[in-house]
Order: sequence, then C-alpha cells, then structure tokens
Amino acid sequence: EAGVAQSPRYKIIEKRQSVAFWCNPISGHATLYWYQQILGQGPKLLIQFQNNGVVDDSQLPKDRFSAERLKGVDSTLKIQPAKLEDSAVYLCASSPLTGLNTGELFFGEGSRLTVL
Amino acid sequence: DAKTTQPNSMESNEEEPVHLPCNHSTISGTDYIHWYRQLPSQGPEYVIHGLTSNVNNRMASLAIAEDRKSSTLILHRATLRDAAVYYCILRGPLGAQKLVFGQGTRLTINP
Repeated sequence: EAGVAQSPRYKIIEKRQSVAFWCNPISGHATLYWYQQILGQGPKLLIQFQNNGVVDDSQLPKDRFSAERLKGVDSTLKIQPAKLEDSAVYLCASSPLTGLNTGELFFGEGSRLTVL
Repeated sequence: DAKTTQPNSMESNEEEPVHLPCNHSTISGTDYIHWYRQLPSQGPEYVIHGLTSNVNNRMASLAIAEDRKSSTLILHRATLRDAAVYYCILRGPLGAQKLVFGQGTRLTINP
C-alpha cells in the first residue's frame, strides 16, 4: 500500500515570498491533517479536513496560511507571504474514517521549509 | 486537550528492555492512550494504543496503571533502529479526532 506522498521534500525561500506544499493521502482515507513541526518541538496541528470540509483550523495563521482539499483527495498548503518563523517541517497525515478510535494516523516524510 | 508528561530524554543499551513512562493524571474516562514515535528525518509513526487493559503488538507493549493516571511503553529488546522521539498522546474516543503532540521523550540506544 502506498503511503502519504508529500512534495517538495525541501524548499528554501526568502521572507515575503510564497510557497506551496502538496499532499496525496493514502487512497480512501477520509481525514487529512497538516502539521507544522519546528525544530526541537512536537508537531502542531494546523488544519484538519474530513473529506473536503474543514474540521479544525483553529491554529492556522489565516492571514498568511491557506489550505484546500479539492474533491476530498489531494491537499495543498500555501504560505504567503512567508516569515522567518515559518521555517519548519510541514507534515501531512491521513487516516481512515472508521469506528471507535481505530483511526491511526499515517504521516508522510514531510516538507522542510527554510525561510531566509 | 488532556496533557501528558514525559521525561525529555532517556538512554538505554542495545538488546535491553526499555520502559518509557508517561503521566496523564487528568485523563478522562473515554480517553485512549496512544504512542507514536518519530525516527530522525521522518514523520511520526503509530506504535500502539490502549484504553484500560495492557496491550501487546509486534512493536511494543503498553502497560496501563489501574487508575489510568500513568502508562509505560515497553520495548522488549531495543535495537539501534528504535532510537527516536516517543510521544505519549491522549485521544478522544472518536476515530477522526486529532492528535495533540507534546515534547516527547528522546530515546538514545547505545551499541
């Protein structure tokens, strides 16, 4: 079974530029998550989709971050304009919409962003 | 979100058992205890989860205290490939609920 695919793996940009990350979840997984992981910290949830609807985006900095999940499959996370503090690994995860608490999350390898 | 407390780091030797503790004194009756680990330069991966009874799988065992205020992840025979950050996470009963990560425990395995 193919895992969660993310691209690009690495991206270096200057502050105030824009960047986009792409995620292809495991086939059939209804729920998709974007996490931000700053060096030395645990991942922090940015946004959660169920199919193509947003379940939780309470920690997404909406003035500069946006995310969409068209047709309930692939997702794109965009940052515009980027700040130095956005330097982090952006992790995408997916999980099946199953019954009681069997929704194990499957993570991609992440996209590492460096903002100069 | 209910919180967990883990040691920042632990060290063990190869081929020895490792016991990773987690305190969760504010756990609610419906919270499941999940463990994930993150190998260097990779995304987190699921290890094990449980509610009240001890659990075993091919990766590890989970021992849950009778009052559920603490739990221990047991790696029965650590290898160098088990060196990772281990996260203990409380998660509500519904399958699509988010995971809230803390700092985790960085496990070092000595050859």
